[in-house]
Amino acid sequence: LAKTTQPISMDSYEGQEVNITCSHNNIATNDYITWYQQFPSQGPRFIIQGYKTKVTNEVASLFIPADRKSSTLSLPRVSLSDTAVYYCLVGEVYNQGGKLIFGQGTELSVKP
Amino acid sequence: GAVVSQHPSRVICKSGTSVKIECRSLDFQATTMFWYRQFPKQSLMLMATSNEGSKATYEQGVEKDKFLINHASLTLSTLTVTSAHPEDSSFYICSAPLAGADTQYFGPGTRLTVL
Repeated sequence: LAKTTQPISMDSYEGQEVNITCSHNNIATNDYITWYQQFPSQGPRFIIQGYKTKVTNEVASLFIPADRKSSTLSLPRVSLSDTAVYYCLVGEVYNQGGKLIFGQGTELSVKP
Repeated sequence: GAVVSQHPSRVICKSGTSVKIECRSLDFQATTMFWYRQFPKQSLMLMATSNEGSKATYEQGVEKDKFLINHASLTLSTLTVTSAHPEDSSFYICSAPLAGADTQYFGPGTRLTVL
């Protein structure tokens, strides 16, 4: 399972775009990159997943360079309710038995 | 989307007692479920893999006799914390992968406080 490295914390203001970068130098060929969001005293919530290039959904965008050794979660126009911890995970959901190993995550604080 | 529930959401017990936490997949079947523990200001730590119809697989350092896991059906896994002590106080979270989807769905978590 590839190890991930993220900034421990980030600050932003309402309405700004926030980009959180995750390093995963040892990513394997079959690994996907998945981001989860967690609010205090709640279980993590799936945000977005990708394999390469760019993925966009109604919540965020995920940018993955060609070498796939890093990825960037982009949150457009954040609001106070986006204050949470964001986790980047790398792995195969099924071929590794579905194990997800969480790193430290990035604590995002959005200020008014 | 797929929903995973946990019960209870919060439990307080005395030291030495056992506590059972349930994890249910409400609208899909899960032959595998996962149990995590999370201490304040820390990340989730995988404790064990719950397998329907067979023994659970525990991560290194997790006492299997302390944390009993039973996956009795395709929609229910239970975690029993036996002879709980204050150091077992934590936030316990379960997850289940949805067949055909490359992600997992997490329960809302159970806050255990051992006095």
